[in-house]
Amino acid sequence: QKEVEQDPGPLSVPEGAIVSLNCTYSNSAFQYFMWYRQYSRKGPELLMYTYSSGNKEDGRFTAQVDKSSKYISLFIRDSQPSDSATYLCAMSLGQGGKLIFGQGTELSVKP
Amino acid sequence: DGGITQSPKYLFRKEGQNVTLSCEQNLNHDAMYWYRQDPGQGLRLIYYSQIVNDFQKGDIAEGYSVSREKKESFPLTVTSAQKNPTAFYLCASSIPGLPNTGELFFGEGSRLTVL
Repeated sequence: QKEVEQDPGPLSVPEGAIVSLNCTYSNSAFQYFMWYRQYSRKGPELLMYTYSSGNKEDGRFTAQVDKSSKYISLFIRDSQPSDSATYLCAMSLGQGGKLIFGQGTELSVKP
Repeated sequence: DGGITQSPKYLFRKEGQNVTLSCEQNLNHDAMYWYRQDPGQGLRLIYYSQIVNDFQKGDIAEGYSVSREKKESFPLTVTSAQKNPTAFYLCASSIPGLPNTGELFFGEGSRLTVL
């Protein structure tokens, strides 16, 4: 079993839809949770990070962490074609610990 | 502009040849990393370096080698011992410190194809 599991998709939605991307994990000691966005043939870039449990909102994006269920989510409201990318969840123990990545979910937003 | 530069973007190699992928950063970050990305497998850590002249093996170091002689540079050599080298290789850097969120800054990647 992988430490971090993420449905690879692909996921296709119409423009304006609400998108939900999810990851589950097995190590309850993870403290930092991140979402990276990767456009085709590019390197990933950090989209959001959350420390411990709770929600964090940034514009159309909301990151949610439920440590009791070992489950994290990224919600995208009013999705746009420019949101089409692969979304990678990642997590770490913090304090210099390495990042463990999910497999990535490929998202396509159709005009 | 500060960032990470990887070269070459595309590289073709014959079986049995060693190749070296370049990674240079001007972010003044102490830590640097090499990841390999394959379809459906996410990013897997090959090697990382927290400081000049020191580096550690990651999860899939076999068949790879690195050096860290300068803070700005962390080249990766894919040797002929790597059984399945065709992949997308990503270099990254970070600022170690407290608290370390683990945020990584990535280059644009190098795609290696073995013929």
